[in-house]
Amino acid sequence: AQSVSQHNHHVILSEAASLELGCNYSYGGTVNLFWYVQYPGQHLQLLLKYFSGDPLVKGIKGFEAEFIKSKFSFNLRKPSVQWSDTAEYFCAVTPHYGQNFVFGPGTRLSVLP
Amino acid sequence: EAQVTQNPRYLITVTGKKLTVTCSQNMNHEYMSWYRQDPGLGLRQIYYSMNVEVTDKGDVPEGYKVSRKEKRNFPLILESPSPNQTSLYFCASSFSATASGTEQFFGPGTRLTVL
Repeated sequence: AQSVSQHNHHVILSEAASLELGCNYSYGGTVNLFWYVQYPGQHLQLLLKYFSGDPLVKGIKGFEAEFIKSKFSFNLRKPSVQWSDTAEYFCAVTPHYGQNFVFGPGTRLSVLP
Repeated sequence: EAQVTQNPRYLITVTGKKLTVTCSQNMNHEYMSWYRQDPGLGLRQIYYSMNVEVTDKGDVPEGYKVSRKEKRNFPLILESPSPNQTSLYFCASSFSATASGTEQFFGPGTRLTVL
């Protein structure tokens, strides 16, 4: 069965600091990978996705993620965070031709003004 | 406006009283899914549906039922709710569940409390 782990439960940064959130998955086949963001009191929104091709994908709001197949990783990065990035971030995986989605437990990001 | 809607948004009920949470999407999506979100556990898939009349269990299906009689609707049924089903529930849909179509769009969530 697939599983997704996220390295950090809670990350606290000051504005303008750089961000990297770790995500590792376990699945032997080809996968689709996603990062979703959930702002306080809101539903999940897609930040970025990887299906194939360039392993460095760019998403909305200055976020990017790099798929490293050999490490089964899909880490999320942002060079300079803002207070408005305070949210919970979820990594998710689904098999390339699959049907079920598996989400990681989430990482809460707090950005201090 | 393209969206996924859920009703009710908030529900407090008692153990054993059957309830239904509705989910509807207006994007003609084939794939629909239900998740529950619990602190520290992220989102866990309850049931999903590849298309009309096609449903399958996710990771945590016990205590839940679903149906997909129409493409746009995917209700979640709790026949006999228990306190361990107190959670935040999200419905989601996507164009398909294969390759390029798998981006999911989420509803606003239903916060359920079972006393």
